[in-house]
Amino acid sequence: DTGVSQDPRHKITKRGQNVTFRCDPISEHNRLYWYRQTLGQGPEFLTYFQNEAQLEKSRLLSDRFSAERPKGSFSTLEIQRTEQGDSAMYLCASTARSSYNEQFFGPGTRLTVL
Amino acid sequence: SQQGEEDPQALSIQEGENATMNCSYKTSINNLQWYRQNSGRGLVHLILIRSNEREKHSGRLRVTLDTSKKSSSLLITASRAADTASYFCATDTGTASKLTFGTGTRLQVTL
Repeated sequence: DTGVSQDPRHKITKRGQNVTFRCDPISEHNRLYWYRQTLGQGPEFLTYFQNEAQLEKSRLLSDRFSAERPKGSFSTLEIQRTEQGDSAMYLCASTARSSYNEQFFGPGTRLTVL
Repeated sequence: SQQGEEDPQALSIQEGENATMNCSYKTSINNLQWYRQNSGRGLVHLILIRSNEREKHSGRLRVTLDTSKKSSSLLITASRAADTASYFCATDTGTASKLTFGTGTRLQVTL
């Protein structure tokens, strides 16, 4: 399968714990995006990488959130000291340099904070 | 924050009928895209239309864009039960920029 993959697909954690999600983009795509989606809403932008450089961060990305893409391939999104309000679907997307910005999404990681 | 809204919020039709959903947005855009999302799953890219295009087709999908009205429509012809999903429009302001999504239309196609 050559699509965007995310791991894990589901994560249940207790409030105050740290969690980390991984995204593997389509191999030739140099741009990678993270979005968050809550129930009944459209996805909201969190952050964006071009290769290994993090070029934009949303105000939604509080200091408890950090994202990395160390070698310009896979990316990780870490949430520290999780809160119940962090419960959401976390979506990763990637796009190619040569495209018109068609972003291809992974299946998402559903986070539930108890 | 959401860029705009899809209309209607929910649509129920019978198989074989056409489904039309509309998207309005607030700011100038570079591209507008439509995505489908089955319940609890990731988003599937359907079609992209650039700001200098007015209409685009892909299979049973027809998308129109009216930049003067800041609106777009997605028409699905001859709908099937498998088209049951939520549909989102998403806009960007540049080739490498983030997408800003609408609130979505939930489409139910019954046999």
